[in-house]
Amino acid sequence: SYVLTQPPSVSVAPGQTARITCGGNNIGTKSVHWYQQRPGQAPVLVVYDDSDRPSEIPERFSGSNSGNTATLTISRVEAGDEADYYCQVWDTSSDHPFGGGTKLTVL
Amino acid sequence: QLQLQESGPGLMKPSETLSLTCTVSGGSISSGNFYWGWIRQPPGKGLEWIGSVYDRESTYYSPSLKRRVTISIDTSKNQFSLKLSSVTAADTAIYYCARHIGIGAFDYWGQGTLVTVSS
Repeated sequence: SYVLTQPPSVSVAPGQTARITCGGNNIGTKSVHWYQQRPGQAPVLVVYDDSDRPSEIPERFSGSNSGNTATLTISRVEAGDEADYYCQVWDTSSDHPFGGGTKLTVL
Repeated sequence: QLQLQESGPGLMKPSETLSLTCTVSGGSISSGNFYWGWIRQPPGKGLEWIGSVYDRESTYYSPSLKRRVTISIDTSKNQFSLKLSSVTAADTAIYYCARHIGIGAFDYWGQGTLVTVSS
């Protein structure tokens, strides 16, 4: 079974850069998607296919994927970025395409 | 703008069959190479994919839920549905419907509906 591993939490001060990782065996060969979920709201797609961004998502959100780690990078973090973030990968050997989620705290 | 809306009972008893419907507006459910999926989230926990439907002949289920899940599509009503049998308290969750393209991302989501299983 293919497992995606995310850190439970990441903390960053406003204006700094947050990096949220998603680990998986040879994840660099797969397409990774990232979602933001604010409290009480549905998830919102922020990065798809490793590094593409929906038109309505700020350029501060970017993604990369290589080797065994994919990374969501949020530059110039704002208070409104505080949320849970999930990575997602489709793999035929897994019934859990979502990572466990990372809570981003803006200090 | 595409919109998805879940509907169904909010409270159920153990052993019952959960039935939820997702109504799609702002676009046709049968146009394009789109899959229509169900995802759930137990209170305070992460996202769990339940399954997806492409057309009447193409459904895909999470292996861990496959024995209890049926997902169907009704293009005449622009809706797709989820049935989950023999529910227990462990099935208590917010249930979301969403759209994706093959192995692509879930790009449109419903607002979610809370289903509580309790005797």
